[in-house]
Amino acid sequence: DTGVSQNPRHKITKRGQNVTFRCDPISEHNRLYWYRQTLGQGPEFLTYFQNEAQLEKSRLLSDRFSAERPKGSFSTLEIQRTEQGDSAMYLCAREGQAPGGELFFGEGSRLTVL
Amino acid sequence: SQQGEEDPQALSIQEGENATMNCSYKTSINNLQWYRQNSGRGLVHLILIRSNEREKHSGRLRVTLDTSKKSSSLLITASRAADTASYFCATAGDYKLSFGAGTTVTVRA
Repeated sequence: DTGVSQNPRHKITKRGQNVTFRCDPISEHNRLYWYRQTLGQGPEFLTYFQNEAQLEKSRLLSDRFSAERPKGSFSTLEIQRTEQGDSAMYLCAREGQAPGGELFFGEGSRLTVL
Repeated sequence: SQQGEEDPQALSIQEGENATMNCSYKTSINNLQWYRQNSGRGLVHLILIRSNEREKHSGRLRVTLDTSKKSSSLLITASRAADTASYFCATAGDYKLSFGAGTTVTVRA
């Protein structure tokens, strides 16, 4: 158990619909990361939070994407007006004890856009 | 963009054999980490090696790091069927990890 819970595990949606993913880390007030992984590729950084502050967003995160972490606990990633290219696994990770050290990943939320 | 590149992309070995995979990266790092991912699952941290270390062991895993060549290797000894997975190297800068495309390892019984 990595102490990171993600919901839903799978989401199938039609193009143009909005989807929201939720990440619940076991510990609060440390860094939380979102990554996207497409088939056959490694995870790509999307964004990260230090407590409730979103400190960096990747260029991959278009204006259709928004992430929040209210109160520095759980986080949500919303994709508006989904496109087929958004189909991927969305991974959430929490930082371990040491900054810049290991990350603990959730099982991911797989999105399929039809 | 992905910082690291793993080689080979895929590896098939017999149970009991050793598996070696390599990672090359481009920029300076604080540390380098290796992760495993079973199909359809999240990533699991295996081992971390700091930029001032050259070799590290953990159980059947051995990791080397050559910062002058910007490369690392992961050796899994005495492989088991349960080692079948994708393996990723990840380089740590100031605040985030950058992953390579991974090596898919298949261990045949």
